[in-house]
Amino acid sequence: GAVVSQHPSRVICKSGTSVKIECRSLDFQATTMFWYRQFPKQSLMLMATSNEGSKATYEQGVEKDKFLINHASLTLSTLTVTSAHPEDSSFYICSANWQGQETQYFGPGTRLLVL
Amino acid sequence: QKEVEQNSGPLSVPEGAIASLNCTYSDRGSQSFFWYRQYSGKSPELIMFIYSNGDKEDGRFTAQLNKASQYVSLLIRDSQPSDSATYLCAVNTNAGKSTFGDGTTLTVKP
Repeated sequence: GAVVSQHPSRVICKSGTSVKIECRSLDFQATTMFWYRQFPKQSLMLMATSNEGSKATYEQGVEKDKFLINHASLTLSTLTVTSAHPEDSSFYICSANWQGQETQYFGPGTRLLVL
Repeated sequence: QKEVEQNSGPLSVPEGAIASLNCTYSDRGSQSFFWYRQYSGKSPELIMFIYSNGDKEDGRFTAQLNKASQYVSLLIRDSQPSDSATYLCAVNTNAGKSTFGDGTTLTVKP
C-alpha cells in the first residue's frame, strides 16, 4: 500500500518553456503532498508543502510564481516549472501522506533537463 | 550549523559486517525520526522510523534514538552489497515537515 506515482519520469525541454509534473497517490487519499528538488550529490530540499484545496506553502527562497503547485484533489498534485532555465535542471520528487500519518511516501521522481 | 547532520562518508564495510550510520539534529522539539535509503538515480525509500528513546529493530536494521543527545543512528547487521546506497536521516517537527540530512554513502564490499 501507500503507492505514489509521478509523471513524467524524465523530461527534456527548451529554455523558456513550462513543464508540468504530476504526482498521484494511487491507493490512499493524500491530504498533504510535498515537493522536493535534489541536485546531484546533494540532499533533498523541500520546495513546498501542499494541502488539498488550499494554497501551497513555499519554503524560503523558492519562487512561488516560478514553481506553481496545485493540489486540486486528494489524489493529485501538480508542479509546473514556468519559463524553465538550465539551472532548473534537477531531480524533482514528490511525497505524500494523510492526516495523522508522519511517514511520507515518495514518488519515483522526475528528472528535468532544460537545454 | 545544519539542522540535520550526517557524515557524508563514504563508509565502506566488508560484506557481513555491521554498518553504523549516525545522525545528529539541532531542534530539540523534533518528534519523529526516519531513515531512508536512496539508490543512485532513484527516489528515497523508507527503511524505518523511530519516535521513542531506545532501540527499534526490524530485521537486519536497528534504529537507535537518544533525544537527550539529539542523536539517532542506524545499524545494519550482516551488510550485503545490495545495501550499498546513500542513507538519509530525516527529522520531523510537530509541524509535520521533514528536514533531511545530506546523507551517508555506504559501500558494502563483497
